[in-house]
Amino acid sequence: GDSVTQMEGPVTLSEEAFLTINCTYTATGYPSLFWYVQYPGEGLQLLLKATKADDKGSNKGFEATYRKETTSFHLEKGSVQVSDSAVYFCALSSNFGNEKLTFGTGTRLTIIP
Amino acid sequence: SAVISQKPSRDICQRGTSLTIQCQVDSQVTMMFWYRQQPGQSLTLIATANQGSEATYESGFVIDKFPISRPNLTFSTLTVSNMSPEDSSIYLCSVGDGGTTDTQYFGPGTRLTVL
Repeated sequence: GDSVTQMEGPVTLSEEAFLTINCTYTATGYPSLFWYVQYPGEGLQLLLKATKADDKGSNKGFEATYRKETTSFHLEKGSVQVSDSAVYFCALSSNFGNEKLTFGTGTRLTIIP
Repeated sequence: SAVISQKPSRDICQRGTSLTIQCQVDSQVTMMFWYRQQPGQSLTLIATANQGSEATYESGFVIDKFPISRPNLTFSTLTVSNMSPEDSSIYLCSVGDGGTTDTQYFGPGTRLTVL
């Protein structure tokens, strides 16, 4: 079945550091890939997505590229801010129209000033 | 994107009781989903709820424990029945974006604590 393997956390970085959170997946067919973010005390928000190979999703300075050859969708940001502190979830949807999401375990990111 | 609200936002319940969680969407949607997020864990899909049909449950979840209603295209409820402390979780509903893509949008969640 479908699965998402995500970088274990927690991750602590200093402000303005470079961020990478690794995500790899196993799925049948051609899944769509997502990063969701959960800020403290808030619900889950879509951060970015990519629906086909080599697509790059981007939002709020975050980027992730859909790499079919390595089945990966790593999240990156060049310069993190304290406000980026949150839990980040990688997810996939392999059944277009069914829209069922499979989530990774989540990575808690803390940015210190 | 859809605006989703949930009630209650949190509750503390006694073992053996039941709680019904409501999910309201500001637009008509075909598919609604219910997820569980146990403490410190990721999200697990409980069931998919389509209007006018029985909910489809994922492995490990049964209708007797988590009955779901979907009376119209903007509303759904999830009941957590005969609760035990292991049911303490955040319960989230989500909706699709109408089939244009397979993006889902999530409600703020209901934080349930069972004593």
